[in-house]
Amino acid sequence: DVKVTQSSRYLVKRTGEKVFLECVQDMDHENMFWYRQDPGLGLRLIYFSYDVKMKEKGDIPEGYSVSREKKERFSLILESASTNQTSMYLCASSPPGGLAGNEQFFGPGTRLTVL
Amino acid sequence: ILNVEQSPQSLHVQEGDSTNFTCSFPSSNFYALHWYRWETAKSPEALFVMTLNGDEKKKGRISATLNTKEGYSYLYIKGSQPEDSATYLCANAGNMLTFGGGTRLMVKP
Repeated sequence: DVKVTQSSRYLVKRTGEKVFLECVQDMDHENMFWYRQDPGLGLRLIYFSYDVKMKEKGDIPEGYSVSREKKERFSLILESASTNQTSMYLCASSPPGGLAGNEQFFGPGTRLTVL
Repeated sequence: ILNVEQSPQSLHVQEGDSTNFTCSFPSSNFYALHWYRWETAKSPEALFVMTLNGDEKKKGRISATLNTKEGYSYLYIKGSQPEDSATYLCANAGNMLTFGGGTRLMVKP
């Protein structure tokens, strides 16, 4: 069974803290994505990666960085968390080929609250 | 501003009712249109990936149509059940997926 897991379902952090959100997939997918979801705004792409050690900015990369040291793991880093980064964060992966043409497999999400 | 629009934003129907909602997207440079279902406390799951104008796909009681020339897709649910309650997301596949804001469906028993 296809699986994408995220390290935490709920997380509460303080302003200024460094935050790591971890995502692991067991499908040997090349492509991995980080989105955030806010009410009325749909899913917005933060960063994606199409291979180990490769990363590309999405639509809203400011305030975030990513790391892809191994194929199965894609980490999202908030260097200095701010209250406007309170959101639901979703990780996804997809098989090789067109990044947009293949369905994406999502993790359960991490609801991050920054106080 | 989203260039993928979904309507309505939310919808309440009675069990047994059939329903439909809309996804509008830019018709230029079309590549693919995705539909996902996102149930509360679960991961979004793909329903359909549609690429051809006039395409119609079906999965059980759920079906979708695609009009790439005018830039819209409809999702239909026949005989809604409480387990259909979820947020339905569409996404336009250009270079990346651009998601709409979703339609939240609530089916009352």
